[in-house]
Amino acid sequence: GENVEQHPSTLSVQEGDSAVIKCTYSDSASNYFPWYKQELGKGPQLIIDIRSNVGEKKDQRIAVTLNKTAKHFSLHITETQPEDSAVYFCAASGVLNNFNKFYFGSGTKLNVKP
Amino acid sequence: DVKVTQSSRYLVKRTGEKVFLECVQDMDHENMFWYRQDPGLGLRLIYFSYDVKMKEKGDIPEGYSVSREKKERFSLILESASTNQTSMYLCASSPRIAGSNFGPGTRLTVT
Repeated sequence: GENVEQHPSTLSVQEGDSAVIKCTYSDSASNYFPWYKQELGKGPQLIIDIRSNVGEKKDQRIAVTLNKTAKHFSLHITETQPEDSAVYFCAASGVLNNFNKFYFGSGTKLNVKP
Repeated sequence: DVKVTQSSRYLVKRTGEKVFLECVQDMDHENMFWYRQDPGLGLRLIYFSYDVKMKEKGDIPEGYSVSREKKERFSLILESASTNQTSMYLCASSPRIAGSNFGPGTRLTVT
């Protein structure tokens, strides 16, 4: 099955700096890669996703890049703010019989210092 | 906005009790999932369902069962709760081939 590895496990940045979180996956059949943000006491929330036919996607301060050859994808947050502090999860999935099964990374705890 | 609700935020049960965790989504999604989340282990899939009355085992189904009698409702059942099932349980739903919407989670403690 798929194996998703996520690094780093913790990341501390100064407010205004950029943050980058990286994930690798093992199954070349995976074709959909969402990112989730989990704030304390809440369930994960989908913040951005990318499909395998695209190399980069941007949404305001958040961007995701995908390198299919190397089987890795990254989350980039620019101009970080204290409210970006949370745990971020990457995931990879492939379509089997018109169904997505998701494999999650182990999470990155991002701390943005004011 | 899609809403996924879970019946309890916090639950304390005794070893050996039968435990029901209920999840309801309001967006007519085909897919529903149950995960458990433990520190250092990330999210692990227990069971999922891609249609009413359909269910598939995830990566850690032992000790759990599920029920999906209606499209909007997906229940997780712990037949005989054990202390190693103390965890955060997260329900999610998604349309086909898209990211999941998660509920707020149920923190279950088994004593």
